[in-house]
Amino acid sequence: SQTIHQWPATLVQPVGSPLSLECTVEGTSNPNLYWYRQAAGRGLQLLFYSVGIGQISSEVPQNLSASRPQDRQFILSSKKLLLSDSGFYLCAWSTRASGFTGELFFGEGSRLTVL
Amino acid sequence: AQSVAQPEDQVNVAEGNPLTVKCTYSVSGNPYLFWYVQYPNRGLQFLLKYITGDNLVKGSYGFEAEFNKSQTSFHLKKPSALVSDSALYFCAVRGLDTGGFKTIFGAGTRLFVKA
Repeated sequence: SQTIHQWPATLVQPVGSPLSLECTVEGTSNPNLYWYRQAAGRGLQLLFYSVGIGQISSEVPQNLSASRPQDRQFILSSKKLLLSDSGFYLCAWSTRASGFTGELFFGEGSRLTVL
Repeated sequence: AQSVAQPEDQVNVAEGNPLTVKCTYSVSGNPYLFWYVQYPNRGLQFLLKYITGDNLVKGSYGFEAEFNKSQTSFHLKKPSALVSDSALYFCAVRGLDTGGFKTIFGAGTRLFVKA
């Protein structure tokens, strides 16, 4: 069966420090991968998505970047965190074969607090 | 551009009563519609989806949703609510606007089921 791992679960970082959140998927190949941010426990904002290694689409100009160094690994990074980067970050995947109809499978999230 | 609206921030219902969580959408072409549930400090879980065919879709935990093309709605329903159904519910849509890769979420509706 497929599983998704996301870490760290909780992170408290000072303003101006770097960030690295990692997500890996097991039990599937060639997944579509996504990073979402959820602010204040409500709506989800799509940050990045990837349909293949090295292929990253950015949805919102911001202080963050994403990379996909391996087929099932998706990394969210920042060189210098801002207070506004605080939030709950969710990694998700869907099967490539499902095309438009596939649901997303989410990780358990990483809660980032920038002080 | 595709969008999703959940007009109610919160829905309150007594245990044993039917519940409805509303969702309307806007998308180019055929809509692919989804409902997800989120429990506190957890990732989202897929409940059900409408792709094509029967307008009434059945999903996990006794939930169902009715697709109405003329009203561009996809309301989530359950005949008899449980206290354990209390959670944050998200409606989501995928369309052809961006090649079908992006899933756009509504702002979420918090469901409270009172014993």
